[in-house]
Amino acid sequence: QKEVEQNSGPLSVPEGAIASLNCTYSDRGSQSFFWYRQYSGKSPELIMSIYSNGDKEDGRFTAQLNKASQYVSLLIRDSQPSDSATYLCAVYNAGNMLTFGGGTRLMVKP
Amino acid sequence: DTAVSQTPKYLVTQMGNDKSIKCEQNLGHDTMYWYKQDSKKFLKIMFSYNNKELIINETVPNRFSPKSPDKAHLNLHINSLELGDSAVYFCASSQEGGQGYEQYFGPGTRLTVT
Repeated sequence: QKEVEQNSGPLSVPEGAIASLNCTYSDRGSQSFFWYRQYSGKSPELIMSIYSNGDKEDGRFTAQLNKASQYVSLLIRDSQPSDSATYLCAVYNAGNMLTFGGGTRLMVKP
Repeated sequence: DTAVSQTPKYLVTQMGNDKSIKCEQNLGHDTMYWYKQDSKKFLKIMFSYNNKELIINETVPNRFSPKSPDKAHLNLHINSLELGDSAVYFCASSQEGGQGYEQYFGPGTRLTVT
């Protein structure tokens, strides 16, 4: 079982819609969770971090964490074509390592 | 100013050669990392290093070694390069402590071994 799992996609949404990206993790002791955005040929860019159960909002982005279900998600409201990228979920575990999921490719169509 | 920088951006070399990739961060962070992203885009930690501790991912061959001349620099040396080493290598940094460990990545070095 992979430590951090994401649907590889592509997830296709129309411009203006809500994009919902999901991630599950296996280490129950994980305390820190991150979402990175990676455009093709570029480096991962940190867009959200979340540490407590519930929702955390930043602009058009909302991260949701449910530690009991070992589930973290990212919602992108009013999706724009410029949001088209691969979104990487990352979990900081007890081994002091940041483990990444395989990423979900998001395509926002005009 | 670039927060985390790497050189070179591209590196093409032959099997068996030894090469180095350099990384510098000006964020004042105390922990630096090396990641490998393979052709399937899977990003995997190789090393985590601060002035107290080197954590090595056990899957990394000992041909790879990090070297840190100071807190702001972490270089990656690779000996006896193999075809399978072809990938994009990212350096990252973070500030230890608290809940954070938010990591910031450099632009990457695309290594091609022929």
